[in-house]
Amino acid sequence: DQQVKQNSPSLSVQEGRISILNCDYTNSMFDYFLWYKKYPAEGPTFLISISSIKDKNEDGRFTVFLNKSAKHLSLHIVPSQPGDSAVYFCAASVRTGNQFYFGTGTSLTVIP
Amino acid sequence: GAVVSQHPSWVICKSGTSVKIECRSLDFQATTMFWYRQFPKQSLMLMATSNEGSKATYEQGVEKDKFLINHASLTLSTLTVTSAHPEDSSFYICSARGTPSLWEGLKLSYNEQFFGPGTRLTVL
Repeated sequence: DQQVKQNSPSLSVQEGRISILNCDYTNSMFDYFLWYKKYPAEGPTFLISISSIKDKNEDGRFTVFLNKSAKHLSLHIVPSQPGDSAVYFCAASVRTGNQFYFGTGTSLTVIP
Repeated sequence: GAVVSQHPSWVICKSGTSVKIECRSLDFQATTMFWYRQFPKQSLMLMATSNEGSKATYEQGVEKDKFLINHASLTLSTLTVTSAHPEDSSFYICSARGTPSLWEGLKLSYNEQFFGPGTRLTVL
């Protein structure tokens, strides 16, 4: 049972425009959410996180929005750059727990 | 940030052989290490959690006799795929986490893990 879902397997965006990656979850116990970026043949690298006490967290060009009532989070990248092209995974966990539940990933391509 | 390495990065083996994958934390002591598996176009699935000096905790559906995990030191955990079969072919990724005080000093949430680059296992 996939508790974290990323329904768009791929996304193409023009350089300089906004990239919006979406993630939905089913478990209302999740209270900590993360986005990871992954290049081919490499492990995921941490990008940005948000706890359930917030609805927005911003770090440079990256902003994560959390809508707890809809069990939905999104990652906004503005402006998008070709180097942002990668697979983006969202992950969710219970803050006091060990296990991360990952989505299936969205492959972002930023077109120069 | 903290660095985690894996070795080998790619291994091809014959069916029935055993393969060992190493996960090392290079610049911090990892009290907890995690092993994940990723099938093509699928999410990372947690296989097991290991704490240094104790037995690993396996997730439901993961055979502990098939996937042997050893976390003998604070910088090294190994995953051995015993009697590998083609269905074990996958991308195996480890991650590591330091002590709560270390993570607090690095201003990290205790949930945060640093991932290795992964190991591609192909069983013929």
